[in-house]
Amino acid sequence: DQQVKQNSPSLSVQEGRISILNCDYTNSMFDYFLWYKKYPAEGPTFLISISSIKDKNEDGRFTVFLNKSAKHLSLHIVPSQPGDSAVYFCAARGFSGNTGKLIFGQGTTLQVKP
Amino acid sequence: EAGVAQSPRYKIIEKRQSVAFWCNPISGHATLYWYQQILGQGPKLLIQFQNNGVVDDSQLPKDRFSAERLKGVDSTLKIQPAKLEDSAVYLCASSPRGGGGNEQFFGPGTRLTVL
Repeated sequence: DQQVKQNSPSLSVQEGRISILNCDYTNSMFDYFLWYKKYPAEGPTFLISISSIKDKNEDGRFTVFLNKSAKHLSLHIVPSQPGDSAVYFCAARGFSGNTGKLIFGQGTTLQVKP
Repeated sequence: EAGVAQSPRYKIIEKRQSVAFWCNPISGHATLYWYQQILGQGPKLLIQFQNNGVVDDSQLPKDRFSAERLKGVDSTLKIQPAKLEDSAVYLCASSPRGGGGNEQFFGPGTRLTVL
């Protein structure tokens, strides 16, 4: 039962253009959504997040959009840079009792070509 | 501030052997997590500690996996005996408090190959 899905395993864009990474979820009880970025041989690092009560959050070149009715969120990177090439994971926070935990999607590998 | 440390970085064993991984979280972080990341999948939470107590181990295969966090600091994750499907990257993360969220800091992981 995959509660968080990233249906595109990979994405390739040209430097300077927009990168759009998508994520779908099934559990309407998730209250917080995050994007992590992972380089090879390193652990994931936090990129940007959004609360379920908002529909947009922006941080520099990165913007996350949340559409609760569609249970869909997306990460926009503008402009894309070669250093953005990495695996991007979408994650959602759910609760088991009072304990919150993150549920991750499968990841999307972004390649930004110079 | 030093990050989350993990060792070893790589481990190759044969099936039915035992293996242990070590994690040293960021100083002062109360919550420690172990994740399993199988190739092509996202990290999956195995166990979560708050100080030295377990708060979630619902996805830990307890017949072969065990974990402990002594004195609320370092942690070890053990697999005994290993199976082929245990081949994965094992990630340790820590946070100042529980609840998930952006304050989880990940270590570089241990890549386990079971032959």
